[in-house]
Amino acid sequence: EAQVTQNPRYLITVTGKKLTVTCSQNMNHEYMSWYRQDPGLGLRQIYYSMNVEVTDKGDVPEGYKVSRKEKRNFPLILESPSPNQTSLYFCASSLGGSNQRTSYEQYFGPGTRLTVT
Amino acid sequence: AQKITQTQPGMFVQEKEAVTLDCTYDTSDPSYGLFWYKQPSSGEMIFLIYQGSYDQQNATEGRYSLNFQKARKSANLVISASQLGDSAMYFCAMREGISSGSARQLTFGSGTQLTVLP
Repeated sequence: EAQVTQNPRYLITVTGKKLTVTCSQNMNHEYMSWYRQDPGLGLRQIYYSMNVEVTDKGDVPEGYKVSRKEKRNFPLILESPSPNQTSLYFCASSLGGSNQRTSYEQYFGPGTRLTVT
Repeated sequence: AQKITQTQPGMFVQEKEAVTLDCTYDTSDPSYGLFWYKQPSSGEMIFLIYQGSYDQQNATEGRYSLNFQKARKSANLVISASQLGDSAMYFCAMREGISSGSARQLTFGSGTQLTVLP
């Protein structure tokens, strides 16, 4: 089944304790992105990757790191989490490569609800 | 400046009636794509419909249609014959730079919470 998986789905942690949220897709997609969702703000892009070893900042990259060593995986790293990073996080992927709708349709993971105390 | 504006934080519609969710966008790029996503209370993001800036016709997908008015920069979602299961948050989103192959960000609006009344 074509899907984007994220782990963990729920995480409660304390300020300053490094954490990683994993994201994996099995569709051989080139584009992968991380978003955070906060009430009244919609989804905001944190980082995105156009291919292996190619990453770039989105709208709200501060406090986050990413890596894209393999095409299928795109982990999100919080080196020193703070309470303002409490949010719902989504990983997404899309095919990319051309201007067809299907190339840019994003497939979303189920979300990771992170609470930083 | 907001790139995607959804001015209706909440909407109510009677079951079986049609409803229009508003979305306006701002871009100077001639090549862009517009998307609508549905987020039910369970939290997952579900793709509904896509409109390319160069598409000649308004997009339709089953009960969903997109009222695309390019000059007004609006891309309203129309849901016909509303069902109770349509109750959800709806997000409009835009991706710029599509034809150059360098499309980057998908920018989302703040969403509209739709409630379908029995």
